[in-house]
Amino acid sequence: DTGVSQNPRHKITKRGQNVTFRCDPISEHNRLYWYRQTLGQGPEFLTYFQNEAQLEKSRLLSDRFSAERPKGSFSTLEIQRTEQGDSAMYLCASSLTSGGGRGELFFGEGSRLTVL
Amino acid sequence: EDQVTQSPEALRLQEGESSSLNCSYTVSGLRGLFWYRQDPGKGPEFLFTLYSAGEEKEKERLKATLTKKESFLHITAPKPEDSATYLCAVHPLRGGRRALTFGSGTRLQVQP
Repeated sequence: DTGVSQNPRHKITKRGQNVTFRCDPISEHNRLYWYRQTLGQGPEFLTYFQNEAQLEKSRLLSDRFSAERPKGSFSTLEIQRTEQGDSAMYLCASSLTSGGGRGELFFGEGSRLTVL
Repeated sequence: EDQVTQSPEALRLQEGESSSLNCSYTVSGLRGLFWYRQDPGKGPEFLFTLYSAGEEKEKERLKATLTKKESFLHITAPKPEDSATYLCAVHPLRGGRRALTFGSGTRLQVQP
């Protein structure tokens, strides 16, 4: 068990470009979450998958953001037409069904996005 | 709307100097309250879940308590390795929602 893996760890892009982040959860975890965290703030919920189904989305997730979890394994988060306000740490977390209900989310180390 | 407020924003302690961190919350029905630790450049690490007022959980030098409006994280005789940001989060009872609402955290620095 290598924990939750996120790639890339750092991404610098120019405004207007598209970026994609990948998350590989802990292998037996069926729930996967994306959060966004800016400096000095706590993580903000973006979206949640149970297996391959996207069951919950925050209103923070504008139409420029799309997340997928094909076959209920890894997940991708794509941001189209990036804006400077998208600069943040994008955190992925996973949990088992029962663990998620108790808040035992296992977070990856995050993907830091800088939009110039 | 769910709200979580943590205080103080930052806390500097001497090694061995015990203190408490506060998490005040407003939520329409609480499924659970959670404490996480976050080191710089890392993702949050789960510490505790509390479900009902009066509940307490302990782990090493940390003890979390819960009332109907707030939670405390007590740190007894802290060591420099306890330096981190401590995050509080709530999970509301509404429907099947899985989203946690986090506070902004308390940045703890323990000096030797």
